Amino acid sequence: KQEVTQIPAALSVPEGENLVLNCSFTDSAIYNLQWFRQDPGKGLTSLLLIQSSQREQTSGRLNASLDKSSGRSTLYIAASQPGDSATYLCAVVTGGGGNKLTFGTGTQLKVEL
Amino acid sequence: DAGVIQSPRHEVTEMGQEVTLRCKPISGHDYLFWYRQTMMRGLELLIYFNNNVPIDDSGMPEDRFSAKMPNASFSTLKIQPSEPRDSAVYFCASSRAASGEGYTFGSGTRLTVV
Repeated sequence: KQEVTQIPAALSVPEGENLVLNCSFTDSAIYNLQWFRQDPGKGLTSLLLIQSSQREQTSGRLNASLDKSSGRSTLYIAASQPGDSATYLCAVVTGGGGNKLTFGTGTQLKVEL
Repeated sequence: DAGVIQSPRHEVTEMGQEVTLRCKPISGHDYLFWYRQTMMRGLELLIYFNNNVPIDDSGMPEDRFSAKMPNASFSTLKIQPSEPRDSAVYFCASSRAASGEGYTFGSGTRLTVV
């Protein structure tokens, strides 16, 4: 059974810092990995999707990398802003698992002025 | 496109009552998912449909929970009878046929059972 873990569970940084969020998964036979953002009281918004054949994806200040063999992904946020404050979740689609995502536990990020 | 639409946004009900949550997926999405989110357990997949057919309901906690998708534009999740431990935020999501692509969540229904 696929298990997805995220470290740290919570993170507080001053504005302007670059930061890294970590995600690990136990079964490396994945189709893809996604990073989502969840604002309080809201649904999830997809940020980046990395196919299993890819190493990284970039969108603006966000860069996600994937090392499938070691079961790890990182989300890099450059020049953090207070508007980046949210919970970030990674999720994987595992081979043979149809189209369903297995979610990590999330990292709650707070960027302070 | 209005995205995935869930109703109601909030529901407060008494223990033992029947609760029905509703979802309208994005037009053209072949997959529909129901998730439950709690502080203790995070996001859990309850059931998902492909082309209106239930594919995997192994996450449905017990017989009190049931889900239907009578057509491509509507799905319901029903809890009968409801219990306080069912209190959670229930999310519906839909996606295109390709694995994981175009995965879109609704805003959720916050259910409180008292």
